[in-house]
Amino acid sequence: GENVEQHPSTLSVQEGDSAVIKCTYSDSASNYFPWYKQELGKRPQLIIDIRSNVGEKKDQRIAVTLNKTAKHFSLHITETQPEDSAVYFCAASIKDGTASKLTFGTGTRLQVTL
Amino acid sequence: NAGVTQTPKFQVLKTGQSMTLQCAQDMNHEYMSWYRQDPGMGLRLIHYSVGAGITDQGEVPNGYNVSRSTTEDFPLRLLSAAPSQTSVYFCASTRDRSGTEAFFGQGTRLTVV
Repeated sequence: GENVEQHPSTLSVQEGDSAVIKCTYSDSASNYFPWYKQELGKRPQLIIDIRSNVGEKKDQRIAVTLNKTAKHFSLHITETQPEDSAVYFCAASIKDGTASKLTFGTGTRLQVTL
Repeated sequence: NAGVTQTPKFQVLKTGQSMTLQCAQDMNHEYMSWYRQDPGMGLRLIHYSVGAGITDQGEVPNGYNVSRSTTEDFPLRLLSAAPSQTSVYFCASTRDRSGTEAFFGQGTRLTVV
């Protein structure tokens, strides 16, 4: 099955700096790569996603890049703010039989300090 | 729309007890799934369903049963709770079986003693 590795497990940045979280996946058939943000005690919420036919996608301060050849994708957050502090999960989706399944990375705890 | 609703939010069980975690969505989504979240392990797929009457196993299905009698509801049953099932459980739904843009419920924190 698919395997997703995520690094780093923790990341501390100063407010205003950029943060980068990286993920690699194992199955070249994966075709959809979402990123979820989970605040403490809350549910995961989709913040951005990218499909395998696109190399980069941006939404305000958040961007995701995908390198299909190397099988890795990254989340970039610019001008970080304290409200960006949360756990971020990457995931890869692959079709298996009748449906696609999401495999998640182990998460990155981002702390934005003042 | 309420989105995806899970009940209960918290539950303590004794080893060997059984219980059902409820999940309902009002978005007419085709695809529903259950995950468990453990520290340092991300979210792992337990079971999923692509429509009423159709269910399949995910990565960690042992000890859990599911059924999908309606589009809206997808309950998760613990047959005989074990301490290893202590976890936070999330239900999710997506519009179709492509699995894109999953919406999660608020989670159920389960402790088995």
